[in-house]
Formats: sequence, C-alpha cells, structure tokens
Amino acid sequence: GAGVSQTPSNKVTEKGKYVELRCDPISGHTALYWYRQSLGQGPEFLIYFQGTGAADDSGLPNDRFFAVRPEGSVSTLKIQRTERGDSAVYLCASSLPERGQRANTGELFFGEGSRLTVL
Amino acid sequence: SQQGEEDPQALSIQEGENATMNCSYKTSINNLQWYRQNSGRGLVHLILIRSNEREKHSGRLRVTLDTSKKSSSLLITASRAADTASYFCATGEFSGGYNKLIFGAGTRLAVHP
Repeated sequence: GAGVSQTPSNKVTEKGKYVELRCDPISGHTALYWYRQSLGQGPEFLIYFQGTGAADDSGLPNDRFFAVRPEGSVSTLKIQRTERGDSAVYLCASSLPERGQRANTGELFFGEGSRLTVL
Repeated sequence: SQQGEEDPQALSIQEGENATMNCSYKTSINNLQWYRQNSGRGLVHLILIRSNEREKHSGRLRVTLDTSKKSSSLLITASRAADTASYFCATGEFSGGYNKLIFGAGTRLAVHP
C-alpha cells in the first residue's frame, strides 16, 4: 500500500491477556517508530527501529512491552499481561533512511493507529 | 515525557478568521514540526522548520521559530470548517543518527461555519 498500515484497527481484550499489534511501513522506509497516545494527549514515544534493530527503546514503559522487526519491514508491538492502563491508541510511523544515505526530511508518516481497550 | 507545550489547549473560531497556536519547548532542537490529527485518525505532517530558520510558509500555514525563546507558532489564515482538528508541535533532534520526535499535548481547533 501507499501508506503505513496498522492492524488491528481496534482490539478489545481482558486484563492479563497478551496482545500483538502490527505495523506495515511505507516501502523503502527503514526507520520505524511506535508511539502511544492516550485520550486528549499527544503521542508518547515508545521505540525506534533502524532496519531490524531497536536503536532506541527508552520509551517502553516496562518489560511487559516488547517490539520486533525481524526483516526490517513489518514490526510487531507485543504487550504481555495487559493492564487497564495500557488502553490507548498505538501509533506506528515510518520515515526515510537517516541522513547521509538519502534525503531525510525528518517527516514521519503515521498509520491510522490501533485502538487498544483493556477491560 | 512530552517536551512541547501547546497554547491554547483549545481554540474556537469562525470560518474566515485566523488561528494562532503556540508551542514552547525545553531543550535544544534540530528541527520543529507541526502535525494535524483529525478525530480518530492518524497524524499528518504539515510543516517542518529547522533550527536555523525563523519563518516558513506553506499555503495558508505560517510557522515561526524563536530558538532564543524556545518557542514556535503556527498561524492558519482564512480558516475553514475543514481545518477543525487537533494540532501538535513536535521537537526533533538528530540523536544517534535519527530524528527523534517528542510531541506536545496539542491544541484542539474548532472552526465554525
């Protein structure tokens, strides 16, 4: 597709369950970001991938959160033992390769998000 | 954590009026970006201004940056009902070779016909 694709668009789960959220970035974008957005707030940085590796995971709130990008394209955000406080919209974004490789405008392209509700 | 703080939190205007939103931040930046978000949708990039620039235009948008005051403003001229959305500023720094964006809490703009 032309844009960043995220699935599922909505996920309702029960407290304590395991959840996976998927992000398919724009083709050719080696940089991939996960953000979390609570109601009425701005996006909060979670993790950044350059290629297959997590270059910055400083925003992950705790060890229940984990993300992978095994082939440098699709990424999966995994949340174990979900809690009600995890309820939010999880946004994925991608961007062009970092400066020095190709032109990098610094612009992020966002998906529509995955809305997670933990009951 | 959020670096940028937008002001006002909410803004309600009539079509045809100008809308001004302000953003303040705390640390040194490489660039500052503004994004728009319609209710329930993803964010869309509007404009980027680099730390060595003072003003930038794009259509009806005008962005200013004052690095000495660590502040930026977004002006939307001749607003339309379709401009109704939340607007976020995001400060970017090239950290470890990538552009890490930290977003503010946003300004919710309502433009009434």
